Amino acid sequence: KAGVTQTPRYLIKTRGQQVTLSCSPISGHRSVSWYQQTPGQGLQFLFEYFSETQRNKGNFPGRFSGRQFSNSRSEMNVSTLELGDSALYLCASSLGLAGGPGNEQFFGPGTRLTVL
Amino acid sequence: DQQVKQNSPSLSVQEGRISILNCDYTNSMFDYFLWYKKYPAEGPTFLISISSIKDKNEDGRFTVFLNKSAKHLSLHIVPSQPGDSAVYFCAASARTSGSRLTFGEGTQLTVNP
Repeated sequence: KAGVTQTPRYLIKTRGQQVTLSCSPISGHRSVSWYQQTPGQGLQFLFEYFSETQRNKGNFPGRFSGRQFSNSRSEMNVSTLELGDSALYLCASSLGLAGGPGNEQFFGPGTRLTVL
Repeated sequence: DQQVKQNSPSLSVQEGRISILNCDYTNSMFDYFLWYKKYPAEGPTFLISISSIKDKNEDGRFTVFLNKSAKHLSLHIVPSQPGDSAVYFCAASARTSGSRLTFGEGTQLTVNP
């Protein structure tokens, strides 16, 4: 079974631009969560989508948004990029809503975003 | 507010010895705990989990211990192998208040041959 895939793997943007990241979950998984990882920080939760609906949201500004499609694939969008948005963005999928037994999250390799 | 804390940013052990990684949490509503391992340039990999109704869960060389009264969990790796060198994250969730995972900052484990 193929794992979680994320595209692109690396991205360089300039301040003020916007970016869209893509995530394809493991086949059969219906939940997709997004995380931001920066040096010295743990994984900061962005949001979780299940059945095309946002179920949970972290403490990030409205510039960060996402969506999920009927095939469970998800996209994350960041508008008006700032230097501080440079980070590794990780996507994770699970069978059901993440966090409980049987719904452990499986992570993709991440997209490394650099904002200049 | 860091609800899950891993106070040791790094740990170094000799091959064959025990590695003990620690994690503390503040939210008493957390009822499910997980450990993930992360190699550079890869996403985190699920290792082992424990529900709050247990105090120990074992899987091969990996054992997780949960002390609810102290709000503390630990991951024991015995025996440690050089391939275990990675960043280890603990994570917690509270099903009664949503399913999101809250992660610690991670501990870099180095196992020396």
